[in-house]
Amino acid sequence: NAGVTQTPKFQVLKTGQSMTLQCAQDMNHEYMSWYRQDPGMGLRLIHYSVGAGITDQGEVPNGYNVSRSTTEDFPLRLLSAAPSQTSVYFCASSMTGTQNAEAFFGQGTRLTVV
Amino acid sequence: AQKVTQAQTEISVVEKEDVTLDCVYETRDTTYYLFWYKQPPSGELVFLIRRNSFDEQNEISGRYSWNFQKSTSSFNFTITASQVVDSAVYFCALSEAGTGANNLFFGTGTRLTVIP
Repeated sequence: NAGVTQTPKFQVLKTGQSMTLQCAQDMNHEYMSWYRQDPGMGLRLIHYSVGAGITDQGEVPNGYNVSRSTTEDFPLRLLSAAPSQTSVYFCASSMTGTQNAEAFFGQGTRLTVV
Repeated sequence: AQKVTQAQTEISVVEKEDVTLDCVYETRDTTYYLFWYKQPPSGELVFLIRRNSFDEQNEISGRYSWNFQKSTSSFNFTITASQVVDSAVYFCALSEAGTGANNLFFGTGTRLTVIP
């Protein structure tokens, strides 16, 4: 049972570099989302998608792009990394139709920008 | 705007003690959902419970129990006879039906340490 798979688990970037955090789920969930977790701030929503071809901004979208070309995949792109983007990133998915169903989270990606 | 407050940043208890984690929320929606998640030292997020705004029944699951009170906008979580394996960060979260999406708004978490 794969569930939600995130890659990589750890990443170090230099300021200004770009990278893509990968997220894939095998539960046929329509809803997917990205959160960042910072000390003392809980998890905050970056971007979310309610289905293939549909994305929207969350609470902290600046500096991040997303796309949703398939139901399974929801990559998060950092176009020009900044030290303020050092964080732990979590991808999540859940069913829609079942109102506000529980979210299943990936194992997280710990990103450090130097 | 929505908000979730977990005023207890850190709690330490001795094994077998009971402990209650507080959660207070704010929302303008009449239909909303409340969640608790556990984040053990390994870092993953584990779903514990989901409660909708129309169901104020308290719930018990083994050593865990939840007290939902709309009158005080609280959704507190109690662990009875705590164990070392309960040591984790616990997050309370809110989701509003009005957005049409399953977006979660998290509190800042409570770090629970159970001392053997």
